[in-house]
Amino acid sequence: NAGVTQTPKFQVLKTGQSMTLQCAQDMNHEYMSWYRQDPGMGLRLIHYSVGAGITDQGEVPNGYNVSRSTTEDFPLRLLSAAPSQTSVYFCASRQSNTEAFFGQGTRLTVV
Amino acid sequence: RKEVEQDPGPFNVPEGATVAFNCTYSNSASQSFFWYRQDCRKEPKLLMSVYSSGNEDGRFTAQLNRASQYISLLIRDSKLSDSATYLCVVKYDMRFGAGTRLTVKP
Repeated sequence: NAGVTQTPKFQVLKTGQSMTLQCAQDMNHEYMSWYRQDPGMGLRLIHYSVGAGITDQGEVPNGYNVSRSTTEDFPLRLLSAAPSQTSVYFCASRQSNTEAFFGQGTRLTVV
Repeated sequence: RKEVEQDPGPFNVPEGATVAFNCTYSNSASQSFFWYRQDCRKEPKLLMSVYSSGNEDGRFTAQLNRASQYISLLIRDSKLSDSATYLCVVKYDMRFGAGTRLTVKP
């Protein structure tokens, strides 16, 4: 059972570089979300999607872009990485108001 | 005011203790409520949903108080393995509270 798959698991970027964090789910879930988690803090919502072609901003969207061209995939793009974006990133998917399933996370360091 | 606020913690309790966490929410239209558990920066996993009438799963009891806009989690007979961070989730777009860290000590 794949569930939610995030890649890569670890990444080091230099300031100003761009990259895409990948997230794929095989459960045919409508809803997908990206979160970041910083030490001592909970998960903060970056962007979310309620279906293919529909995305919206969460609590901390600045510096990130998303798109949802298929039900399965919800990539998160960092346009110009900054040290403040050093964090652990989690992708989640769910069906309507049911339980969310999370990927294993991507640990990103921006130097 | 944040949409979801939790007891700051940390909670340090002995084995066998009963411990309770609260989580308040600001949007009275919220319909979905969950408690998640997160171990050591791993991905959060569902502990239990919270139903209007309250619900129990073994040593864990979840309750919802719509009038005062909070949910609670009660853990009875704490085990060492209960040590984790507990996150509450409310609202349609799955916004999380900051989490409450629980450490159960021998």
